[in-house]
Amino acid sequence: DAKTTQPPSMDCAEGRAANLPCNHSTISGNEYVYWYRQIHSQGPQYIIHGLKNNETNEMASLIITEDRKSSTLILPHATLRDTAVYYCIVSKTGGSYIPTFGRGTSLIVHP
Amino acid sequence: GAGVSQTPSNKVTEKGKYVELRCDPISGHTALYWYRQSLGQGPEFLIYFQGTGAADDSGLPNDRFFAVRPEGSVSTLKIQRTERGDSAVYLCASSPRATGANVLTFGAGSRLTVL
Repeated sequence: DAKTTQPPSMDCAEGRAANLPCNHSTISGNEYVYWYRQIHSQGPQYIIHGLKNNETNEMASLIITEDRKSSTLILPHATLRDTAVYYCIVSKTGGSYIPTFGRGTSLIVHP
Repeated sequence: GAGVSQTPSNKVTEKGKYVELRCDPISGHTALYWYRQSLGQGPEFLIYFQGTGAADDSGLPNDRFFAVRPEGSVSTLKIQRTERGDSAVYLCASSPRATGANVLTFGAGSRLTVL
């Protein structure tokens, strides 16, 4: 699976959009981009995933560049409850699928 | 239940003791994963089950670690002769299948402390 690079930490004001970048320059054609987050003392929680097209759900939006070498997770109106570590994972489809977590980005949302 | 359940939530043991950690996945999920997480690190893969069989155990650190899933549902992670370095949060996750685009649901974890 392709390796991902994320900034170790970011901060955002409550009510503003949080834009979390992820670089995955070695991604291959059949690999999806997944995002999970982990709030303190909880297990990771799935947020969203995508292959080529931008995706949106009730939690977030995922913007994938046309060359698929990077992506951005957008939390449109961050709240204090969005403070967490956010993990970007790239993984193949088909066969066994074992997400590999890096250190992620620690997002702090401040009042 | 509605989610992945892990017991115990906290376990304190002494060096050299045997420990079992249990995972109840979401009903009907065929794939089950064990990870462990040390402070400040992301979850580290240990073992993955597809049904009853261990499809990939490449993440188990040594032969003191073993996991079973005899009926394809509940799984137990077993650690023999525990060492202080085994102290971590052990996370279990399940998913409906292990092929194609797939989403894992994690439990809250079992925090193991080896004194």
